[in-house]
Amino acid sequence: KAGVTQTPRYLIKTRGQQVTLSCSPISGHRSVSWYQQTPGQGLQFLFEYFSETQRNKGNFPGRFSGRQFSNSRSEMNVSTLELGDSALYLCASTLLPVGETQYFGPGTRLLVL
Amino acid sequence: ILNVEQSPQSLHVQEGDSTNFTCSFPSSNFYALHWYRWETAKSPEALFVMTLNGDEKKKGRISATLNTKEGYSYLYIKGSQPEDSATYLCAWGHMEYGNKLVFGAGTILRVKS
Repeated sequence: KAGVTQTPRYLIKTRGQQVTLSCSPISGHRSVSWYQQTPGQGLQFLFEYFSETQRNKGNFPGRFSGRQFSNSRSEMNVSTLELGDSALYLCASTLLPVGETQYFGPGTRLLVL
Repeated sequence: ILNVEQSPQSLHVQEGDSTNFTCSFPSSNFYALHWYRWETAKSPEALFVMTLNGDEKKKGRISATLNTKEGYSYLYIKGSQPEDSATYLCAWGHMEYGNKLVFGAGTILRVKS
């Protein structure tokens, strides 16, 4: 079974631009969560989607948004990029809604110049 | 503020040594405790998901214990090997927030041959 895939793997943007990252979960998984990893903050939860609905949201500004499609693929969007948005963005998929193993993708590394 | 703390921050051991790490988490509203191993340039790999007080899990030379009443979990590695070198992360799941995990900062393990 294929694992979680994320595209693109690397991205360079400039301040003020917007970016869209994509995540394809493991086949059959309906929950997709997004995390941001920065050197100073560690892994921080952005949001979770289940059956095309946002179920949980972390403490990030409204510039960070996401969505999930009917095939469970998910995208996250960051508008008006800031230097501090430079980070590794990981998505994880889960078979069941709660308490199950989250399987992580390889991440998208975003650099904002 | 929900805080998950891991200690030590880093650990250098010799091949063959046994080692252990600690994860402290809020004891109230506990749902699950996850352990991950994260090697450089790879996806975080799920090791264990633990939900019951007193739970013990084992996978090869790695084992973990859970105390939900006092809010801590231990991860043990018996006979460390160079390939065990990685960052070990724990993550706490809250009863009400589904798959929204709160991660600790991790313990970096380096095993010298």
